[in-house]
Amino acid sequence: DQQVKQNSPSLSVQEGRISILNCDYTNSMFDYFLWYKKYPAEGPTFLISISSIKDKNEDGRFTVFLNKSAKHLSLHIVPSQPGDSAVYFCAASPNFGNEKLTFGTGTRLTIIP
Amino acid sequence: DVKVTQSSRYLVKRTGEKVFLECVQDMDHENMFWYRQDPGLGLRLIYFSYDVKMKEKGDIPEGYSVSREKKERFSLILESASTNQTSMYLCASVGAGANVLTFGAGSRLTVL
Repeated sequence: DQQVKQNSPSLSVQEGRISILNCDYTNSMFDYFLWYKKYPAEGPTFLISISSIKDKNEDGRFTVFLNKSAKHLSLHIVPSQPGDSAVYFCAASPNFGNEKLTFGTGTRLTIIP
Repeated sequence: DVKVTQSSRYLVKRTGEKVFLECVQDMDHENMFWYRQDPGLGLRLIYFSYDVKMKEKGDIPEGYSVSREKKERFSLILESASTNQTSMYLCASVGAGANVLTFGAGSRLTVL
């Protein structure tokens, strides 16, 4: 039973435009959410996170939005750059400080120059 | 710079062989994890450890065991490798009370 789902396995976006990656979860106990980025032949690296007490968190070109009632979060990248081409995983945790994460299935983002 | 090192990047093994995947972290982290990554399934947790000699099953522990004799080292063991264990294996660590896992580069295992 997949508790964290990323329904788009792949996404292609023109360079300079906005990339929107979506993530849905089913477990209402999840309270803290993270996005990781993974290049081929490398481990995932942390990108940005959000706590359920917020509905938005920004870090440079990256913004994460959380809609708790819909159990949905999204990652916006603007403007998209070729170096953003990677697989993106969302992850969820019952609370900040709980080290055990549940990961989504991943979305492969391709930025077209 | 903090590091999680997986010594074997690529392995090819035969069905029935015993396989050891080693992971070492230099951050004095209490918690260490083994995940496997498969297309369409994302990252799934196999085992994790909160302390030396402690281990807990993750979501897919069948066919695997682990060993944590020292704080910095967490080993994943496939007692008798099978073809359905062909995958990318990722080790991660994090300090107590934190959420941001640091991952190693991964070990790609092929079982023939």
